[in-house]
Amino acid sequence: DTGVSQDPRHKITKRGQNVTFRCDPISEHNRLYWYRQTLGQGPEFLTYFQNEAQLEKSRLLSDRFSAERPKGSFSTLEIQRTEQGDSAMYLCASSGLAGREQYFGPGTRLTVT
Amino acid sequence: AQSVTQLGSHVSVSEGALVLLRCNYSSSVPPYLFWYVQYPNQGLQLLLKYTSAATLVKGINGFEAEFKKSETSFHLTKPSAHMSDAAEYFCAVSESGGSQGNLIFGKGTKLSVKP
Repeated sequence: DTGVSQDPRHKITKRGQNVTFRCDPISEHNRLYWYRQTLGQGPEFLTYFQNEAQLEKSRLLSDRFSAERPKGSFSTLEIQRTEQGDSAMYLCASSGLAGREQYFGPGTRLTVT
Repeated sequence: AQSVTQLGSHVSVSEGALVLLRCNYSSSVPPYLFWYVQYPNQGLQLLLKYTSAATLVKGINGFEAEFKKSETSFHLTKPSAHMSDAAEYFCAVSESGGSQGNLIFGKGTKLSVKP
């Protein structure tokens, strides 16, 4: 068990570009969550999957944000037409089916210039 | 709706002193409560959890927390602070009592430990 991994760890992009982040959960975990953390704040829930089904996506910040988990394993979070306000840490977490304890990855820090 | 309030954005203690980080929650259903720790530029690490079993919960690194329903509190304590405890601590409640699973976090408390 290598824990939750995220790639890349850091991303610098120019405003208007699209970015995609990847999350690999703990292998036996069915649930996968995405959060955003801005400076000085706690993580803010964005979306989650149970296996390949996206069960909650109303908290995605705008229609520029989308997420997939096509085979129920890894997940991607895409932000289209990035804005400076998208600069933040994007965290992925996974848990077993009971959805109680979540284990977090190291995060991807996005900087939009 | 569930929510979490952490009292004090910054707490400073001396090495060897008691650590007390405060968390109050609001929940319309029996809550599932968690404390996480975050070191700079890292993800969150689970310290401990309350899921309706024992009200005094012991976690890693000598931390513990007590669930008090009458006070809607879940404060985190450690008898003796160590320099390595310096980090940011987040209290969280599971939305919808766990049926959905996503967490609602407080704003965090940054703990400093003075030698």
